[in-house]
Amino acid sequence: NAGVMQNPRHLVRRRGQEARLRCSPMKGHSHVYWYRQLPEEGLKFMVYLQKENIIDESGMPKERFSAEFPKEGPSILRIQQVVRGDSAAYFCASSPGNSYEQYFGPGTRLTVT
Amino acid sequence: KQEVTQIPAALSVPEGENLVLNCSFTDSAIYNLQWFRQDPGKGLTSLLLIQSSQREQTSGRLNASLDKSSGRSTLYIAASQPGDSATYLCAVQTDSWGKFQFGAGTQVVVTP
Repeated sequence: NAGVMQNPRHLVRRRGQEARLRCSPMKGHSHVYWYRQLPEEGLKFMVYLQKENIIDESGMPKERFSAEFPKEGPSILRIQQVVRGDSAAYFCASSPGNSYEQYFGPGTRLTVT
Repeated sequence: KQEVTQIPAALSVPEGENLVLNCSFTDSAIYNLQWFRQDPGKGLTSLLLIQSSQREQTSGRLNASLDKSSGRSTLYIAASQPGDSATYLCAVQTDSWGKFQFGAGTQVVVTP
């Protein structure tokens, strides 16, 4: 059973470009969480999704950020018109239910130049 | 608002000593508490999950306790090894949806 997969592992974007981060949950897991780890800061919750539904996006910046988890395929975190402050590690976690252990992917390290 | 604090921020011990890592949270109405390990530049590895009704969990050399009423959890690592060097994160599940609030972590160095 493969773990949570994220790609790309490293992503470099210039200011103003779009960044797309992908997360494939563990087999059998239908709950996906996205977290962001800014340099020298702790992990912060961004958004929680189930298949085709956004359940809680209270940690998402109001502009430029969006997330989806379609019926088929990976969950995607999209950042439009990236700025230097978006440089961070973005982690995805999955679980089989909302009170279960969460399993984290290796993260995508986004660098905005 | 829930706040999660980990003390100390950094810890260095000689190999063989026991490690004691502390996590405190301000709101005792939690669902679960999970301990993770993070190696530099890597993702998080789950160590132990303690459900709110439990008092402790054990896995090998690791033991985690939970005292909800006092807002504390402690992670014990017995007979530390250099391979235990990492940052240890405590995360509290703050609502029924399952989202976690993380502490800032304790950076551990075990010297040979």
